[in-house]
Amino acid sequence: GAVVSQHPSRVICKSGTSVKIECRSLDFQATTMFWYRQFPKKSLMLMATSNEGSKATYEQGVEKDKFLINHASLTLSTLTVTSAHPEDSSFYICSARDGNRGSGEQYFGPGTRLTVT
Amino acid sequence: AQKVTQAQTEISVVEKEDVTLDCVYETRDTTYYLFWYKQPPSGELVFLIRRNSFDEQNEISGRYSWNFQKSTSSFNFTITASQVVDSAVYFCALTATGANSKLTFGKGITLSVRP
Repeated sequence: GAVVSQHPSRVICKSGTSVKIECRSLDFQATTMFWYRQFPKKSLMLMATSNEGSKATYEQGVEKDKFLINHASLTLSTLTVTSAHPEDSSFYICSARDGNRGSGEQYFGPGTRLTVT
Repeated sequence: AQKVTQAQTEISVVEKEDVTLDCVYETRDTTYYLFWYKQPPSGELVFLIRRNSFDEQNEISGRYSWNFQKSTSSFNFTITASQVVDSAVYFCALTATGANSKLTFGKGITLSVRP
């Protein structure tokens, strides 16, 4: 149980285009989802927290208009990188928290490696 | 504010050696959770353990063991008889309780196990 999928696992796009990454909780309802960014040889940096049906809460320094997050249902959150540039190239990881458990645990997706050329 | 410190950045051992990865945390919350994750080269985070702040019992799972000491705010991880497959980045993390509580990660420790 508690499986989170991400799609796509890898994506290469050209500068100026937009890329959408999907995060799905497969066997539980995720009342809260989180999006992280990880640079090479660095730790995970929280970008935003999203709750189903409401606007995402972004961390300081993260551009809301650049990284659009939509948590439309209890099993799906999407991150859209708009007008991507090479500096947006990174490893993006989502996680989901099971609303029926009080364990504090986040279940992580396998990550999406974005390369902007 | 929460903080997780993993002072070791890179550790290299020879197979079959024991290795301990240190984790020190700071929090003002009375109830919190501590975690260890493994991140192999593939990038996927692998959950290893969750520890509730009220449970100070040490835990052993196969070659893995964890030592939680509230008095020193530490949650150290020991791998006994290390294997090449243990090579990865290991993250210690901390979160308060609550649905929107954020997970604070340490900087990670890169463990290399040489044959």
